[in-house]
Amino acid sequence: DSGVTQTPKHLITATGQRVTLRCSPRSGDLSVYWYQQSLDQGLQFLIQYYNGEERAKGNILERFSAQQFPDLHSELNLSSLELGDSALYFCASSVSINTEAFFGQGTRLTVV
Amino acid sequence: GIQVEQSPPDLILQEGANSTLRCNFSDSVNNLQWFHQNPWGQLINLFYIPSGTKQNGRLSATTVATERYSLLYISSSQTTDSGVYFCAVQNSGGSNYKLTFGKGTLLTVNP
Repeated sequence: DSGVTQTPKHLITATGQRVTLRCSPRSGDLSVYWYQQSLDQGLQFLIQYYNGEERAKGNILERFSAQQFPDLHSELNLSSLELGDSALYFCASSVSINTEAFFGQGTRLTVV
Repeated sequence: GIQVEQSPPDLILQEGANSTLRCNFSDSVNNLQWFHQNPWGQLINLFYIPSGTKQNGRLSATTVATERYSLLYISSSQTTDSGVYFCAVQNSGGSNYKLTFGKGTLLTVNP
């Protein structure tokens, strides 16, 4: 167990819908990362927060948004879902920006 | 951005064999990690090794930062070692804080 908790583990939803994925980092970790893993794209970096502030942004679609709350948990919001958004979404956390990152078990999103 | 190349892309072994996986990166790094993704999709930390050598049981890793590569050694492989092995790095330059992953090595260990 990495200590990073993601909910839900599985999510099935229809095209056009909106979902929220939740991540609780390890105790004491200030940095949270979100990644998308699909079969044809590998592990793609979406966004990183550090102590509530956005620090780095990857190829995150405009339909996607994220935030980190004062208690350091983070949420990834995916809207106007398309079939191609089906993927495994990972959250990771680390103590600081360049320290060892630990990954949650992922949320498997299926858009039908 | 920084490029990460892993080799070989696929590897099939008999139980008990040894193997070496390689990770080449294109720029200086201040973080390098090896992960194992098991058949259930979990990403398991193996090593945090921006430089030097570390060992953990049957696994060991070496990073030569000046030559921009890292090696993961698996000895006496077991069927439970099967899965995808990823190398991921953080570039030490600028304000780019993301962890960039290679495409992975798919390891299959047959009984």
